[in-house]
Amino acid sequence: QVQLVESGGGVVQPGTSLRFSCAASGFTFSNYGMHWVRQAPGKGLEWVAFVSYDGSSKYYADSVKGRFTISRDNSKNTLYLQMSSLRAEDTALYYCAKDLGTLSSSWIFDYWGQGTLVTVSS
Amino acid sequence: SSELTQDPAVSVALGQTVRITCQGDSLRNYYANWYQQKPGQAPVLVIYGKNNRPSGIPDRFSGSSSGNTASLTITGAQAEDEADYYCDSRDSSSILVFGGGTKLTVL
Repeated sequence: QVQLVESGGGVVQPGTSLRFSCAASGFTFSNYGMHWVRQAPGKGLEWVAFVSYDGSSKYYADSVKGRFTISRDNSKNTLYLQMSSLRAEDTALYYCAKDLGTLSSSWIFDYWGQGTLVTVSS
Repeated sequence: SSELTQDPAVSVALGQTVRITCQGDSLRNYYANWYQQKPGQAPVLVIYGKNNRPSGIPDRFSGSSSGNTASLTITGAQAEDEADYYCDSRDSSSILVFGGGTKLTVL
């Protein structure tokens, strides 16, 4: 069965950087685009970033553009999010999510991980 | 940036039908997708595209769209349907946007 397991969250100070990962299993990772979606405590969902199945296309929400970098290593079945210049408003539970489309981009999230919590605080 | 608007809260009597709506200009050009999120859990896709249900989603869940409004209908709501529901859609400027979510209470 599809499994997405995020790791690497934590408490960091404003202005610093953090990278976390999402280990995928149960499907052919290299055939699917992947997303990061976040949810601030007690708030709604916010799409953050997308990377295509082969890593050739990347898109970002305006709120993180220029600060966050999404990447993937298909040889390791792992998705990454590198975050820099972190702000208090980046505090959230970060989910990785699998795109529904095979070798394409549907922008539909058919599987989600359980999330990793990032707290930006001094 | 574009927005999708949802009612913050909706309630339904057990076994009755409830419609949860999502409004936004992007819905004139793109279908909405719907996600269910129960407390402490990750979201689950319940409806996508015109009216498609992923495997394992009960057929009491259905989707529809008209103009700038998309709807998620639960026909015969069950206690286990109590959750937050989020719509999302593509948007030409923001790429993808979520609605603010609707908290469904089953009475």
